[in-house]
Amino acid sequence: ELKVEQNPLFLSMQEGKNYTIYCNYSTTSDRLYWYRQDPGKSLESLFVLLSNGAVKQEGRLMASLDTKARLSTLHITAAVHDLSATYFCAVVGGSQGNLIFGKGTKLSVKP
Amino acid sequence: NAGVTQTPKFRVLKTGQSMTLLCAQDMNHEYMYWYRQDPGMGLRLIHYSVGEGTTAKGEVPDGYNVSRLKKQNFLLGLESAAPSQTSVYFCASSFRDPRRTIYFGEGSWLTVV
Repeated sequence: ELKVEQNPLFLSMQEGKNYTIYCNYSTTSDRLYWYRQDPGKSLESLFVLLSNGAVKQEGRLMASLDTKARLSTLHITAAVHDLSATYFCAVVGGSQGNLIFGKGTKLSVKP
Repeated sequence: NAGVTQTPKFRVLKTGQSMTLLCAQDMNHEYMYWYRQDPGMGLRLIHYSVGEGTTAKGEVPDGYNVSRLKKQNFLLGLESAAPSQTSVYFCASSFRDPRRTIYFGEGSWLTVV
């Protein structure tokens, strides 16, 4: 059974600082997604990572995937308040390609 | 551009009542999903469908039924609502392509009293 663990679950950062969110998963998968969710809103797709060593960047966010270690990271560079949100990783597992989510990391960026 | 549309957006039910949540997508996606989101639990898959006329159970299927009679619609039914089903429900859809992006609806807030 595929399990997805994120850490930390809560993260309070100061503006301008760097930090990394980690996503570990328990069984082999070659597809991993990162989503952002603002309070009371739907999920916004940030990155789709499809192969070992994949790295994608958008603005201050950079995501990477290591399928051998079953680990993805979401790195935040020089955080700004607008990045405050909950970030989810999700991994495709099972024969039908179900998307299994981590519990999310609630990020708060303070001035 | 509608994308994934869920109705209703808000609903209050009494214990034991039944209701149906409707998800409609206009992107010709093969795959459709229903998730529930509870505080501290992330999103959990209830049921999913890989094509018209097919459905399958996800992580937390008990108490729910689904139907996919048309490719663009995926219905989630609660036959006898319980307070434990108070949650935010999200529908999602995607192409079969492994590189697919999965698109989410805006959510449906359900309270069972």
